[in-house]
Amino acid sequence: AQRVTQPEKLLSVFKGAPVELKCNYSYSGSPELFWYVQYSRQRLQLLLRHISRESIKGFTADLNKGETSFHLKKPFAQEEDSAMYYCALSVGGSNYKLTFGKGTLLTVNP
Amino acid sequence: NAGVMQNPRHLVRRRGQEARLRCSPMKGHSHVYWYRQLPEEGLKFMVYLQKENIIDESGMPKERFSAEFPKEGPSILRIQQVVRGDSAAYFCASSPPGDGLNTIYFGEGSWLTVV
Repeated sequence: AQRVTQPEKLLSVFKGAPVELKCNYSYSGSPELFWYVQYSRQRLQLLLRHISRESIKGFTADLNKGETSFHLKKPFAQEEDSAMYYCALSVGGSNYKLTFGKGTLLTVNP
Repeated sequence: NAGVMQNPRHLVRRRGQEARLRCSPMKGHSHVYWYRQLPEEGLKFMVYLQKENIIDESGMPKERFSAEFPKEGPSILRIQQVVRGDSAAYFCASSPPGDGLNTIYFGEGSWLTVV
């Protein structure tokens, strides 16, 4: 069975510093990877997906199949980036049956 | 578009009672999904429904849990004879008709506490 691991439960950085939220997965095939974000008192929303290869709100993530990782990066963190971030994967070509990691709470300090 | 609406947002039930959680998908969405998040865990897929059909219930516990999405009205996740281990956040999501590759949109969740 597939699994998603987010090794950091909490991550704290200062405004303007680079940030990297780690995500590792285990799956023998070719999964699709996602990052979801949940801002305070808001619903979970899709931040980006690896097949889109896009940058959203300055965040990027590259799928590294060799290391089975999909780390989320931003060169200069902003206070409004403070949120809970979840890495997720889907298999079999359908993106409704997501396997989520436990999440990382990012706090960006002024 | 108001987004995926879930109610109640918080529900307290005594052991042995029934819990019913409701989900109204976004306008134009005909696919509904339920996820459960146990304390300190990630969200886990439970079931995927379309109108009057259960498409994938591979994540549903074998007993006491059921889900429906009737022709009219919201989707309902029903938990019978609740136990303390059912205490969790239950998230509903929806997506428009398509080939399963559309983005799914989550509701704000319903928190069930079993006392």
